[in-house]
Amino acid sequence: NAGVTQTPKFRVLKTGQSMTLLCAQDMNHEYMYWYRQDPGMGLRLIHYSVGEGTTAKGEVPDGYNVSRLKKQNFLLGLESAAPSQTSVYFCASSRGASGTPDTQYFGPGTRLTVL
Amino acid sequence: AQSVTQLGSHVSVSEGALVLLRCNYSSSVPPYLFWYVQYPNQGLQLLLKYTTGATLVKGINGFEAEFKKSETSFHLTKPSAHMSDAAEYFCAVNPVSGGYNKLIFGAGTRLAVHP
Repeated sequence: NAGVTQTPKFRVLKTGQSMTLLCAQDMNHEYMYWYRQDPGMGLRLIHYSVGEGTTAKGEVPDGYNVSRLKKQNFLLGLESAAPSQTSVYFCASSRGASGTPDTQYFGPGTRLTVL
Repeated sequence: AQSVTQLGSHVSVSEGALVLLRCNYSSSVPPYLFWYVQYPNQGLQLLLKYTTGATLVKGINGFEAEFKKSETSFHLTKPSAHMSDAAEYFCAVNPVSGGYNKLIFGAGTRLAVHP
């Protein structure tokens, strides 16, 4: 099993450009998440999904959109990139609600720089 | 709102010395508690978690953590540091009423291990 994979690994954008980050998991997990990691702030939840076709806002959703058309994929889009979106983006997945929290499995991250 | 405080953004220890990384949470209802580790240029991986039952939790790589309700703490320890333990460590909580495995992360503590 590859686990959680993310593409691309690195990207540099100019202000105003758009891009999509792809997350894929092969563990048949129901839940998927997008986080951003900034120095001194830990990880903050951008959007999440509790199943195919569903998405919801997390803690810092502004400027991002997501889609979950297939259970194994979770896409994060930036329509008009801003320098404040320079960050490392992590995708994660977990089995789903089971009475107690499941372990979240993380991808290797995408380092995005917006100039 | 729930919050997680990790005391000390950087901790430095000698190889073979005790590792102590501190984590306190704010909640009137004890949440579920996690420690994750991030090695350089990698995603996060679970070290250990507390949900219910025994308050001393053992994890991978010789780490353990003790849940102390009276102190709202979940400190991470390892009796003897190894060079390979150098990484960033994140404490996280999942509110019991989260419903979707929501994780709230602390800012992280970077552990350096010196020969």
